[in-house]
Amino acid sequence: AQSVAQPEDQVNVAEGNPLTVKCTYSVSGNPYLFWYVQYPNRGLQFLLKYITGDNLVKGSYGFEAEFNKSQTSFHLKKPSALVSDSALYFCAVRDIGNAGNMLTFGGGTRLMVKP
Amino acid sequence: EAQVTQNPRYLITVTGKKLTVTCSQNMNHEYMSWYRQDPGLGLRQIYYSMNVEVTDKGDVPEGYKVSRKEKRNFPLILESPSPNQTSLYFCASSFQGYTEAFFGQGTRLTVV
Repeated sequence: AQSVAQPEDQVNVAEGNPLTVKCTYSVSGNPYLFWYVQYPNRGLQFLLKYITGDNLVKGSYGFEAEFNKSQTSFHLKKPSALVSDSALYFCAVRDIGNAGNMLTFGGGTRLMVKP
Repeated sequence: EAQVTQNPRYLITVTGKKLTVTCSQNMNHEYMSWYRQDPGLGLRQIYYSMNVEVTDKGDVPEGYKVSRKEKRNFPLILESPSPNQTSLYFCASSFQGYTEAFFGQGTRLTVV
């Protein structure tokens, strides 16, 4: 079975400061990893993904994430937070060897960026 | 515009009254899926489909049915809704399992 953990329900950061939203995963094989963002009353929007290759992945709106296989982590980062980054963030994983299942999501982390 | 369209956006119904939430995508995606979102639990997969006439259970399939008669449509059916199915539902599609998923706007269902 595959699973995702987002250990923080909420992350608070001041505008202009760097932010990190944590994600760890568990799969039996190799993972496909994704980050999505949800703004109020909206569906989820894709931010970035790791499939293979460079462990540092760059995505939309200045976000990036680092794949760490030994720590089974895929933390989301941004060098300088904006108030408009405040939203609900979800990490998701799919086991490459699992031909059927689409994605397993973490519980979500609410990011609050204060002016 | 590439999109996943769900209808209705909001629905209040009574226990036991059958309902269908429609989902349609215009991107010719093979994969489609339904999720429910509940506070603190994230998104949990209900059912998914890898192609026409190919569907399978996700993590929380009890009380739900789906069908995939056409590639673009993937309706979610609640034959006899119960209050514990009150939730926010999302339909999603993707080209392949390793590509990003596109989500609909969500359907907020309340069962009283």
